[in-house]
Amino acid sequence: AQSVTQPDIHITVSEGASLELRCNYSYGATPYLFWYVQSPGQGLQLLLKYFSGDTLVQGIKGFEAEFKRSQSSFNLRKPSVHWSDAAEYFCAVGDTGGGNKLTFGTGTQLKVEL
Amino acid sequence: EAGVTQFPSHSVIEKGQTVTLRCDPISGHDNLYWYRRVMGKEIKFLLHFVKESKQDESGMPNNRFLAERTGGTYSTLKVQPAELEDSGVYFCASSPILAGQETQYFGPGTRLLVL
Repeated sequence: AQSVTQPDIHITVSEGASLELRCNYSYGATPYLFWYVQSPGQGLQLLLKYFSGDTLVQGIKGFEAEFKRSQSSFNLRKPSVHWSDAAEYFCAVGDTGGGNKLTFGTGTQLKVEL
Repeated sequence: EAGVTQFPSHSVIEKGQTVTLRCDPISGHDNLYWYRRVMGKEIKFLLHFVKESKQDESGMPNNRFLAERTGGTYSTLKVQPAELEDSGVYFCASSPILAGQETQYFGPGTRLLVL
């Protein structure tokens, strides 16, 4: 069965600092991978996705993620964090076998210090 | 274009009562998904509709949960009778039917608290 691990439950960074959120997945084939963000009181917003092709994916709000098959990872990065980036971030893998249901990690809560 | 909407945004009920959650997908999206996040845990898949048909309901916890999508438009998720462990945030997502992996667009969720 597919699974996603986000090892960091909470992360605190200073505004302007770089950010990397870790995501490891387990899936038997080439995965479809997603990062979603949930701001307080909001729904889940798609940041970026990887289906195939270039392993470095650009998303909205200045985020990017790199798919590394050898490490089964899909880490999210941002070179300079803004206070508005404080939110909860979810990594997910899609079921390519049909149905496309998503399996999520437990989420990483990001706090930004001013 | 309107996004996925869910109603109500919050619901507080007592154990044993019935609650019905509603999801309106993005217009034209034939795929509709329900997910749930219990506090402190990951977001988990509940079920998937393609139009009005249940494609996959493998994530439904038990027979106290009933999902419908009459006419292939909006969907309801009924919990009857509600138990304490049903508390959590219920998300709905929709996507179009395309070749390959579709992107799911999520609603804001319904926060259910069972007392």
